[in-house]
Amino acid sequence: GAVVSQHPSRVICKSGTSVKIECRSLDFQATTMFWYRQFPKKSLMLMATSNEGSKATYEQGVEKDKFLINHASLTLSTLTVTSAQPEDSSFYICSASPGFTGELFFGEGSRLTVL
Amino acid sequence: AQKITQTQPGMFVQEKEAVTLDCTYDTSDPSYGLFWYKQPSSGEMIFLIYQGSYDQQNATEGRYSLNFQKARKSANLVISASQLGDSAMYFCAMREPNFGNEKLTFGTGTRLTIIP
Repeated sequence: GAVVSQHPSRVICKSGTSVKIECRSLDFQATTMFWYRQFPKKSLMLMATSNEGSKATYEQGVEKDKFLINHASLTLSTLTVTSAQPEDSSFYICSASPGFTGELFFGEGSRLTVL
Repeated sequence: AQKITQTQPGMFVQEKEAVTLDCTYDTSDPSYGLFWYKQPSSGEMIFLIYQGSYDQQNATEGRYSLNFQKARKSANLVISASQLGDSAMYFCAMREPNFGNEKLTFGTGTRLTIIP
């Protein structure tokens, strides 16, 4: 099946630094990728839809300047958490679809801890 | 109103028994897709099964089947012959067309624990 890979799987950083998380579709092209955030024992919250070659579409309440999304190619989208703060600590997951086949594939997730 | 509702926050099931995880949804769009995902403690999301709104038959994938009742707007997941490895969080999700940019909405999840 299709594979989506995220990197890094875990990252610990100091407050005020920026952290970049990569999401790659390894064996298919994805014009659209999705970024989610999950709080402990909570459901996934869609943060933004990443579109290749254009600006991301952010969900209401998600700070665009805090969570920068770049979808530079058909196989790579990046999420940059700028000036990270402890409240940004969370589990971030991306997903992508090979097309409207009925399946969305998820990355392994990235655990961000901001000290 | 909630788009996806999972009313069972937690379930305990004896090993080898069948289990049904409930999911109801709300949409006015005739074209939509329903998904079930499994999330073990490692955090990754594992795709289990998909049902399209126009599919005539209930989806099945190995031990997983989806009991799709369109009129009731329910899409329950049935796991037959449960195994210890089935212990995980299970999320129901719905994808709706959104001006060509489909969105996926998740339910709050059900934590399934299989008892030996």
